[in-house]
Amino acid sequence: DAGVIQSPRHEVTEMGQEVTLRCKPISGHDYLFWYRQTMMRGLELLIYFNNNVPIDDSGMPEDRFSAKMPNASFSTLKIQPSEPRDSAVYFCASSSGHEKGTGELFFGEGSRLTVL
Amino acid sequence: SQQGEEDPQALSIQEGENATMNCSYKTSINNLQWYRQNSGRGLVHLILIRSNEREKHSGRLRVTLDTSKKSSSLLITASRAADTASYFCATPLSGNTPLVFGKGTRLSVIA
Repeated sequence: DAGVIQSPRHEVTEMGQEVTLRCKPISGHDYLFWYRQTMMRGLELLIYFNNNVPIDDSGMPEDRFSAKMPNASFSTLKIQPSEPRDSAVYFCASSSGHEKGTGELFFGEGSRLTVL
Repeated sequence: SQQGEEDPQALSIQEGENATMNCSYKTSINNLQWYRQNSGRGLVHLILIRSNEREKHSGRLRVTLDTSKKSSSLLITASRAADTASYFCATPLSGNTPLVFGKGTRLSVIA
């Protein structure tokens, strides 16, 4: 199994630009999570999906952030417009539903975003 | 919001020694999990312990759970340089909510 695949691994952009992060979960997993990791705040849950439907987006910091899951094998996290404080590592993780989303998470390698 | 909190924040030991990391949490849980993160990489699941379990082993890892004290510990025996990483505990905030992670313990194993 290829695991959770994220792209890009690194992104450097300028303030005000649109950023799109992508994630392919493990085939057969019906939960998908987006987390953000910073030194100051640690790992924060941004949003999660079950069967492609957003369940809780209360962790999305602002309206500048949006996430979609058009099908079971693809999700995007978009930031528009980006700001320097959005600089962080963004992780996508997936899990199977037998623990209703509280079981083992499989993480991607992350997308390191730097906004100048 | 924070659920688990690891202690210590950083730990440095010699190869061959045991490493113990602790986690305290706030609410009732149905399971607690430990993850490892190597520098620049994603998190990797190590072990899951359920609320009705007190101890669990996996290779050189030993996890304990004390629900009365709302705490867990992760013991790595006979540590190796390759164990150098950050270790996180994670629990659901409540019921079937997703995992919330602590800020982790940075373990350095010196050869």
